[in-house]
Amino acid sequence: DAGVIQSPRHEVTEMGQEVTLRCKLISGHNSLFWYRQTMMRGLELLIYFNNNVPIDDSGMPEDRFSAKMPNASFSTLKIQPSEPRDSAVYFCASSLEGTGEYEQYFGPGTRLTVT
Amino acid sequence: AQKVTQAQTEISVVEKEDVTLDCVYETRDTTYYLFWYKQPPSGELVFLIRRNSFDEQNEISGRYSWNFQKSTSSFNFTITASQVVDSAVYFCALTQVSGANSKLTFGKGITLSVRP
Repeated sequence: DAGVIQSPRHEVTEMGQEVTLRCKLISGHNSLFWYRQTMMRGLELLIYFNNNVPIDDSGMPEDRFSAKMPNASFSTLKIQPSEPRDSAVYFCASSLEGTGEYEQYFGPGTRLTVT
Repeated sequence: AQKVTQAQTEISVVEKEDVTLDCVYETRDTTYYLFWYKQPPSGELVFLIRRNSFDEQNEISGRYSWNFQKSTSSFNFTITASQVVDSAVYFCALTQVSGANSKLTFGKGITLSVRP
């Protein structure tokens, strides 16, 4: 089975531009998590969805960040407008909750650089 | 509130040495899960193990073993006969289970360097 798929793997953009990160869940999983990783702050949970519904978005830094799950297998994380401090590796993870498993499987990440 | 503490930040060993990575957690929940993840230099996060709060049996998988002790709120990870390929950042994580929803609380990670 394919793992979590993220695209693009690398993104370099200029300050003020819109950035869209994409994630495809593992087939059959029902929960999706977006994380951001930086040297300074480590791994931060931005938002998570269960059955397409946003459950906790308390980690979303500000209104410039938005996330959607248009269907059960796909999600986007959008930053508009981007700023240099948004530079980080963004991970998407999926899990199958409600069955006693709960481990999250991570995608390869998107390395975002905002200049 | 949940918390995961990985007091060791960096560990350096010589190949074939055994090494133990410590993890201490805090939670008020009686039902919870503990995890270890590995992040090699390539950057991906790899799931290694899950343990639930009702199962204190230690687990061994090849050179890896895990020791879960509720009495000390610890979930330590031992690599026996370490190899260079074990060099990575290792994260311990905890999740509460609230209905069907959960989220992971990660420790800050331990950077393990295994020298040839």
